[in-house]
Order: sequence, then structure tokens, then C-alpha cells
Amino acid sequence: AQSVAQPEDQVNVAEGNPLTVKCTYSVSGNPYLFWYVQYPNRGLQFLLKYITGDNLVKGSYGFEAEFNKSQTSFHLKKPSALVSDSALYFCAVRDTRTGGFKTIFGAGTRLFVKA
Amino acid sequence: NAGVTQTPKFQVLKTGQSMTLQCAQDMNHEYMSWYRQDPGMGLRLIHYSVGAGITDQGEVPNGYNVSRSTTEDFPLRLLSAAPSQTSVYFCASSLGVANTGELFFGEGSRLTVL
Repeated sequence: AQSVAQPEDQVNVAEGNPLTVKCTYSVSGNPYLFWYVQYPNRGLQFLLKYITGDNLVKGSYGFEAEFNKSQTSFHLKKPSALVSDSALYFCAVRDTRTGGFKTIFGAGTRLFVKA
Repeated sequence: NAGVTQTPKFQVLKTGQSMTLQCAQDMNHEYMSWYRQDPGMGLRLIHYSVGAGITDQGEVPNGYNVSRSTTEDFPLRLLSAAPSQTSVYFCASSLGVANTGELFFGEGSRLTVL
């Protein structure tokens, strides 16, 4: 069965410093990988995705993520954090071998960026 | 362009009552789904649909029914609400069934079952 792990409940970083939010996955086929962000009392918003090709993908608001097949990881990164990046971040995986109709989410990581 | 619209935003039910959460999208998306969000558990898939007349179960389907009579609408029905169904519910859609597309989410419906 497919699964997603976000090992950190919370990440704290100072404004201007680089940030990393970790994600590892388990699927039986080739994965489609996604990152979403949720602001308070809002729905989730898409940040970026990996489908195929270059392992480094760039997305919205200056975020990027690196797909590492050998480590089954898809960590979210940003070179310089902003206070406005503070939110709840979700990693998600779609298993293509089982038809890819189910997107499974991790438990989420809360990011706090301190001014 | 409204995107994905969910109603109601808030609802309080008593145990045993029934209700329907409405979801509509105006993007002509083939794929629609329902998730529930609970603290520390992320989002869990309840049901999904790959087109009008086609639905299937997700991770946590028990206690919920769905139907898809049109491309635009995908209502979620609770036939006999239980306190364990207290949660925030999100409807999400994506373009096509090629499965490379990202999900577009509604703003959520917060349900409390007493």
C-alpha cells in the first residue's frame, strides 16, 4: 500500500534562512509526488509536483523540491524563508501502478518562520 | 471563475441525523474526491469519482455515501451521523484521469456531531 511520511510535526526557521520540510514515500510503482500548503481556515493550495524528468522541480512562491528515488524522498526547500511562509505543508503521493486515482497525504508539517 | 465550491461551511448535527455536504466545480474536471482532515492525521480519502456515474471508495468510506450524476456536482451524504465523523471535510477535483494533474480544493466544511 502506498504511504507518505512527514517525520517532523513542526519546523522552526528564522526569516532569511533556508528551510527544508522532509517527506518520504512508499509506493509499489512509479510515484507522482506533490506538495500542498494550507493557510489557517483555508483549503489546500498546490505548490509543485514531480511527474517525470528533472529531479529538481520548482514551484510557486520560490519553493522547490528534490526527488530522490534511491532514498524515496521528496523534500521541500526554499533558499530564504519569509514570515508569510508560515503555514501547514502536506506531501502527497499518487501511485501510478494502481491507476493513480488515489492521492494519499502525509500528516502535515507546520512551518513557523520567525522574524 | 469560482473553482471548487463547498456548502455549508459550518454544520452542527446531533448523533443519528443525516445531512449532505455539497460540492460543485466549474472547471469541467473529470476527477472529484472527498477528504476529511483530522489533527495529526493529514487528509484521508473518503470517496472519489472519475466521471459522471462512476464512484469508488477511498481509505475511510464507512458511514458515507456519494453519487455523481453530473460532471459538476459530487455530494457527500452522511446517513446517520456519529461523533467520530466530527471533522473538516474537503472536496477536491482535478482535470482528466491521466492522473498527472494537481488537486484543486474547496474551502472546507467544518462538521460537528454532538
